[in-house]
Amino acid sequence: SQKIEQNSEALNIQEGKTATLTCNYTNYSPAYLQWYRQDPGRGPVFLLLIRENEKEKRKERLKVTFDTTLKQSLFHITASQPADSATYLCALETGGGNKLTFGTGTQLKVEL
Amino acid sequence: DADVTQTPRNRITKTGKRIMLECSQTKGHDRMYWYRQDPGLGLRLIYYSFDVKDINKGEISDGYSVSRQAQAKFSLSLESAIPNQTALYFCATSRDYTDTQYFGPGTRLTVL
Repeated sequence: SQKIEQNSEALNIQEGKTATLTCNYTNYSPAYLQWYRQDPGRGPVFLLLIRENEKEKRKERLKVTFDTTLKQSLFHITASQPADSATYLCALETGGGNKLTFGTGTQLKVEL
Repeated sequence: DADVTQTPRNRITKTGKRIMLECSQTKGHDRMYWYRQDPGLGLRLIYYSFDVKDINKGEISDGYSVSRQAQAKFSLSLESAIPNQTALYFCATSRDYTDTQYFGPGTRLTVL
């Protein structure tokens, strides 16, 4: 069966450290993958998109990698801040590009 | 003003009632989506529409129906609500299949 896995346990890190979140998938061959941030009670907000032919993408303190052989994407936040505390969702292109399928998300808590 | 709006923001209803959730967007996007979010299950696609005449079922369409009244409006109906439809519902839009999705603020629905 098709599956997208994100660590269901919350990730707690200290301010200033690098947070690394993982998205693993099986039985998909996505042309691209996206990462979203979701704050409690609010809709997800787009952060980054990476295509299958791209190994790495950066935006300010954010970095995403995409390994289609391992079927894995890593999402990094460097110099993390308490304001980065949120749930982060990965989403894969599925259905021939017609839609996204979302992972369940990983909650990140950045402590002072 | 927000680009994607949803009404109502909160709704409590009883089993068997018909309810409609509404979504409007000012982004001028052709593609619109309805998702529901449940703890531990993440975002799941209910219906999606590529234009006014093109509506498609998502992963969990049973018990729901939709109407695309105009490019800017996409409504979700529960013909006869049941308690397991209690969830957070999100509307989203996108320009095309590679574009990011823009989410509304969500509707919290409780079916008693």
